[in-house]
Amino acid sequence: GENVEQHPSTLSVQEGDSAVIKCTYSDSASNYFPWYKQELGKRPQLIIDIRSNVGEKKDQRIAVTLNKTAKHFSLHITETQPEDSAVYFCAASISGGNQFYFGTGTSLTVIP
Amino acid sequence: NAGVMQNPRHLVRRRGQEARLRCSPMKGHSHVYWYRQLPEEGLKFMVYLQKENIIDESGMPKERFSAEFPKEGPSILRIQQVVRGDSAAYFCASSPPSRSQETQYFGPGTRLLVL
Repeated sequence: GENVEQHPSTLSVQEGDSAVIKCTYSDSASNYFPWYKQELGKRPQLIIDIRSNVGEKKDQRIAVTLNKTAKHFSLHITETQPEDSAVYFCAASISGGNQFYFGTGTSLTVIP
Repeated sequence: NAGVMQNPRHLVRRRGQEARLRCSPMKGHSHVYWYRQLPEEGLKFMVYLQKENIIDESGMPKERFSAEFPKEGPSILRIQQVVRGDSAAYFCASSPPSRSQETQYFGPGTRLLVL
């Protein structure tokens, strides 16, 4: 099955700086990659996703890049704000399947 | 359009009791997924169901755990004879019927504590 690894496990940045979280996957058949944000005690919420037919997608301060050859994808948050502090999870889904394979999460702290 | 609903939000059980967790998917969604999240860990897939069918239960422990999604009513995750190691947050997610991958929307979770 698919194996998703996520780094770093914790990340602290100053407000206004950028944050980058990286994930790698093992199964070249994976073709859908969502990112979720989970605030303490709350549900995971989708913030952005990308499919394997594109290399980059942006939504305001958030962007995701995908390198299919290297089998890795990254989340980029620019101009970070304290409300960006949360745990971020990447996931991968194999073509034809519905199960999401999640990374172990990155705890992001934005220091005011 | 209400989101994914789960109840109860918190559940306390003593060892050996049964835990029953309920999930109502978003309106129009016919696919339900259950995930378990241990403290400070990621989400682990347990089971994927469609109405009246278990599609993939590869992440479900072989004993004590069962899931169903009946024609009418919510999906139920049932844990029999709970042990302390079952303490975790259990999230359900739903997605619309589709042949390709669709975004999964998560419920608020049920936090199970086994004493």
